[in-house]
Parts: sequence; C-alpha cells; structure tokens
Amino acid sequence: GEDVEQSLFLSVREGDSSVINCTYTDSSSTYLYWYKQEPGAGLQLLTYIFSNMDMKQDQRLTVLLNKKDKHLSLRIADTQTGDSAIYFCAETPGGYQKVTFGIGTKLQVIP
Amino acid sequence: GAGVSQTPSNKVTEKGKYVELRCDPISGHTALYWYRQSLGQGPEFLIYFQGTGAADDSGLPNDRFFAVRPEGSVSTLKIQRTERGDSAVYLCASSLAGGGRDYEQYFGPGTRLTVT
Repeated sequence: GEDVEQSLFLSVREGDSSVINCTYTDSSSTYLYWYKQEPGAGLQLLTYIFSNMDMKQDQRLTVLLNKKDKHLSLRIADTQTGDSAIYFCAETPGGYQKVTFGIGTKLQVIP
Repeated sequence: GAGVSQTPSNKVTEKGKYVELRCDPISGHTALYWYRQSLGQGPEFLIYFQGTGAADDSGLPNDRFFAVRPEGSVSTLKIQRTERGDSAVYLCASSLAGGGRDYEQYFGPGTRLTVT
C-alpha cells in the first residue's frame, strides 16, 4: 500500500540546520514533494525533486533522495523562527495527479 | 491574482445532515483536487478533476461522498448523511494541468467541517 512515514517532531535552535526525514513506499512516484503548513494557513509547496535526481538545492533548502532506500530528506540551513511549521513529505504514486502525504513533522525553532 | 478560495471556512452540522462545500480554483486552472485532513494527519486524497470530469475518484471513502464540477471551474463536494467521523478540514487545490512541479497544486485555506 501507499504509506509515507515521517517523524512527528523536531526541535532545533535558531541558526542551526534542521534535517527532516521521510520514507516512501512507491518506487513509481515521479515527483517527491516537501510542503509547509503554518498554523491557520494553507499548504505551501516548498520544493520538489524528480525521482531521477539525487539532490536538489534551493537557497536554504537541500533535498536528498535515496531511491534504493526510498528515503527523502529536507535540510534547512540557518533555521529561523519563521521556519516553525509542519512539514509534509509527499509522493505521487503511479503518476502525477494523486499526491500521497505523510503525517507531517512539526518543526519547532527555539530562539 | 486571487488564490484558491473555499466556502464556508467553517461548517458545523448535525449527524445525519447533508452538507456542501465549495471550491473556487485559480482562474485558468484545469485541474482541481479535493483532500481531507483529519486532526494530526496529513492531507488524504479524495478526488481529482480534469476539466468537468472526475479523472480519479479513488479516494472517496464511500458513496455518501460526491463531488461535481459542472462547468470546469467551481467544484462542490457533497456529503450525505454526515457522520462524526467526517469531521475534518476539507482542502481544495488547483493546478494548471495534471501534476508535477510544472503543474504545482495551489491549496485553498480549507473548510473545517464539524459533525456533532
């Protein structure tokens, strides 16, 4: 079945790097996403990676993909208090349209 | 320009009642998606429209749930005989086409449905 797994909670100090990990199950997923959800706000696509890539960097964000282990990670450099949110890993099993989300990792940034 | 809007923002209804949730996608977006997010969970796919037709409704939990998009723009999610387990935030998203980064899904703020 389709199941994206993430740890529930991560706490880091402001200025440190944050690493949020995820495992997914469907090797046919074409895209893997990281979404951010702030309290009372909608989901925002942070970044994505094609399944044929190993790494993608976008300013403070680095996404690493290990297809063999079906492991995806999101690294946030120089974490700020504004980065406090819930981060969802998501995959597109079997195509493009249906996005399967993980349970979300709550990132707490301590000033 | 305007983003995806959903109405109402909150809906409280009694068990057994019928509800309709509305989604106004971004103008020009041909694809529209409905998701359900229960407390402490990630969004769960319900249905996807490409134009007026439901291209994938595999996520609808049972036949009490139905969605339409008659003119290829606004969509309505309809829930009959609501149950307390239907309580959740219902999210709508739209994209230019079928998916992928070039067809990023833009999410609305959601409708919080509470069934008492």
